[in-house]
Amino acid sequence: QSVLTQPPSASGTPGQRVIISCSGSSSNIGSYYLSWYQQFPGMAPKFLVYGNNQRPSGVPDRFSGSRSGTSASLTISGLRSEDEADYYCATWDDSLSVWVFGGGTKLTVL
Amino acid sequence: EVQVVESGGGLVQPGGSLRLSCAASGLTFSRGWMNWVRQAPGKGLEWVASIKEDGSEKHYVDSVRGRFTISRDNAKNSLYLQMNSLTAEDTAVYYCASGNFFHYWGQGTLVTVSS
Repeated sequence: QSVLTQPPSASGTPGQRVIISCSGSSSNIGSYYLSWYQQFPGMAPKFLVYGNNQRPSGVPDRFSGSRSGTSASLTISGLRSEDEADYYCATWDDSLSVWVFGGGTKLTVL
Repeated sequence: EVQVVESGGGLVQPGGSLRLSCAASGLTFSRGWMNWVRQAPGKGLEWVASIKEDGSEKHYVDSVRGRFTISRDNAKNSLYLQMNSLTAEDTAVYYCASGNFFHYWGQGTLVTVSS
């Protein structure tokens, strides 16, 4: 059971907008910046969004993050087939003094 | 170009030890936290340990505290993970990730604990 809760799966058709949620508490999402990572099968995770809505260079602006209270979300606009991957949220938890990851969401592009 | 390369994984018997290494280039290694994250087969990501820029602060997930030791050599741009008393539950791909937000990741090194 992950400290951060993500839906196990999400789906959409090309061109659609998909939102992946990440729910936590005041000791993690409510207090610290959240990051999102994209992982393709057999590959290392890739840093996607951080500080609630900052993107590293090279990440398309189709990917955006937001936070409200103790929940956060990753929005993928203009969905493409190459976006099919696993997505993870992560942040620091100061009551546990550990980094915590969500359980991951498998995104399927129909 | 930033490169992060892990090494040292392999097959080890339960109760055994292994030392993982991570070599980073193309970034100012001494100016950021460094981290180990693992992923068991078919499972999600699990943070393992982090170490501050100067090595003065270290954090571990409960399941490895007392068995694993994270360290770094800023002169060699290298990160290490000494793993002792390994169990089957430690079987995973171990990733080295740089920075406060795990900016850059290596390709991982597989650790298999089995008799």
